[in-house]
Amino acid sequence: QVQLKESGPGLVQPSRTLSLTCTVSGFSLTSYGVSWVRQPPGKGLEWIAAIWSGGSTDYNSALKSRLSISRDTSKSQVLLKMNSLQTEDTAMYFCARSTRGPDYWGQGVMVTVSS
Amino acid sequence: DIQMTQAPSSLPASLGDRVTITCRASQDIGNYLRWFQQKPGKSPRLMIYGATNLAAGVPSRFSGSRSGSDYSLTISSLESEDMADYYCLQSKESPLTFGSGTKLEIK
Repeated sequence: QVQLKESGPGLVQPSRTLSLTCTVSGFSLTSYGVSWVRQPPGKGLEWIAAIWSGGSTDYNSALKSRLSISRDTSKSQVLLKMNSLQTEDTAMYFCARSTRGPDYWGQGVMVTVSS
Repeated sequence: DIQMTQAPSSLPASLGDRVTITCRASQDIGNYLRWFQQKPGKSPRLMIYGATNLAAGVPSRFSGSRSGSDYSLTISSLESEDMADYYCLQSKESPLTFGSGTKLEIK
């Protein structure tokens, strides 16, 4: 069955770079895209980035300069990097399988930005 | 970027009520509209895709519709398990954008 699992550090210091990994199973990254979505505590959902089945990428306009998304198809992993972290980046980060929009979601990983 | 204006932000309702949540798109998005349900501490769940198509396993009391640039999610008879947050998402073009969410709660 389709599964996605996020992993990454729970705590990151301000100004540092966040690296998150989404490991997928039950589908191929060359057939489906993967999006990252985040949700600050008590707030709504925000789409961050996607890497599509053909390898092209898209980013949130406000965050674009700080983001990089890539994939390793041999490991069935999608990698998200966000630099210059601030406290406002504290959030639950989800990855989701995407074909013109997310369908299956991972459980999410909580990231806290604090010194 | 395409803006999705979602209303209401909060919706108190009673069990058995018919409820409707609406999103308005700032530009044409065709039928590239999805609805998600999110319960506390859980990941979002896809409910509707293509504006009107029920996702697998979603109860038939849920439905989606479109009128011009307005998109609606309707629950025909509210059940206790439907109490959750609901979000719309446009996937017509990148960047994808969510509505601000609607909290459905018991009156």
